[in-house]
Amino acid sequence: KQEVTQIPAALSVPEGENLVLNCSFTDSAIYNLQWFRQDPGKGLTSLLLIQSSQREQTSGRLNASLDKSSGRSTLYIAASQPGDSATYLCAVTQGGSEKLVFGKGTKLTVNP
Amino acid sequence: GAVVSQHPSWVICKSGTSVKIECRSLDFQATTMFWYRQFPKQSLMLMATSNEGSKATYEQGVEKDKFLINHASLTLSTLTVTSAHPEDSSFYICSATIIGQAYQPQHFGDGTRLSIL
Repeated sequence: KQEVTQIPAALSVPEGENLVLNCSFTDSAIYNLQWFRQDPGKGLTSLLLIQSSQREQTSGRLNASLDKSSGRSTLYIAASQPGDSATYLCAVTQGGSEKLVFGKGTKLTVNP
Repeated sequence: GAVVSQHPSWVICKSGTSVKIECRSLDFQATTMFWYRQFPKQSLMLMATSNEGSKATYEQGVEKDKFLINHASLTLSTLTVTSAHPEDSSFYICSATIIGQAYQPQHFGDGTRLSIL
């Protein structure tokens, strides 16, 4: 059974810092991996999707990497801003299924 | 584009009542819709997968008679929590994939906060 773990559970940083969020998964037979953002009491916004054949994806100040063989992904946020404060969720899709398996998320607070 | 609307956003009701939550894809047709539940400080847990015109597929441990899913069209799926009790209080989120685009990002609604008194 696939399990997704995110470390740390919470992170507080001053504005302007670069930071890394970590995600690990137990079964490397994934189809893709996604990073989402969730604001309090809201649904999910997809940030980046990495196919299993890819190593990384970039969007603006966000960069996600994938090391499928070791079961790890990182989300790098450059020059963090208070507006980046949210919970960041990592999720994987197994081959042959569209089901997403989520981690518990990392709650990020960027202080002005 | 790819907007998913969920209604209501928040509902409070008495124990024993049934609650219906709607999930609509506003600007696309959805091949598949997914229903998730999220408890505080927990990850999203998939409850069921529904395809238009067919019975939903429920995850292990989810009572299909308790959580009724109807997927009547390519743009609408409903989740009915029957005879709701306080332990059913949770955040329910739906998502949808665009028809013809398998294994592409799921598009999520804003969720429904359900509180059972």
